[in-house]
Amino acid sequence: DADVTQTPRNRITKTGKRIMLECSQTKGHDRMYWYRQDPGLGLRLIYYSFDVKDINKGEISDGYSVSRQAQAKFSLSLESAIPNQTALYFCATSDAPGLAGGPGPDTQYFGPGTRLTVL
Amino acid sequence: RKEVEQDPGPFNVPEGATVAFNCTYSNSASQSFFWYRQDCRKEPKLLMSVYSSGNEDGRFTAQLNRASQYISLLIRDSKLSDSATYLCVVTSTGGGNKLTFGTGTQLKVEL
Repeated sequence: DADVTQTPRNRITKTGKRIMLECSQTKGHDRMYWYRQDPGLGLRLIYYSFDVKDINKGEISDGYSVSRQAQAKFSLSLESAIPNQTALYFCATSDAPGLAGGPGPDTQYFGPGTRLTVL
Repeated sequence: RKEVEQDPGPFNVPEGATVAFNCTYSNSASQSFFWYRQDCRKEPKLLMSVYSSGNEDGRFTAQLNRASQYISLLIRDSKLSDSATYLCVVTSTGGGNKLTFGTGTQLKVEL
């Protein structure tokens, strides 16, 4: 089973609809992230959370909100979807710094992505 | 100026060729550097971290030049399976685990 899962994998919706994208992880990581990827723009950080009670805005948080329901779950909501939110959305997780071993605290592990189309 | 800049390519090379990608970053305080690989419509995956002393993993060699603020990735003996987009990634100015991604360089290895 995949360590980081996202649902749904594909979604087509209409302008103005509320959409929730969900992310779950079994890696036991404290830190979770939401990115969007657009052609020519690379991955851009929307929100991130360093533990269950911590929520931080990334560089493009407008129009989005998040909820960290548990260590393993981090959901992204679009309260009123608009066409320019059409993109590929990735969830990612990482270890907190200072943990010994492994590939390093900055390494992020990504989910398979959600392709969202807003008509 | 973008924080992390890469030539988007595509780099079309024959199988067996050596190919090199460069990436520049704007923030001299950036501390960690990585190359991620992304296959078409798939998630990015860590290829290798980049250290000041340079590091090698099989056919892949990564180098960091802090003075000039650039990172390189060298792929020797290219395979068809190396075809992908290679993302240059640095830690953002905020520190912690927040990464800033380049837009990626596309590599196509051909027969």
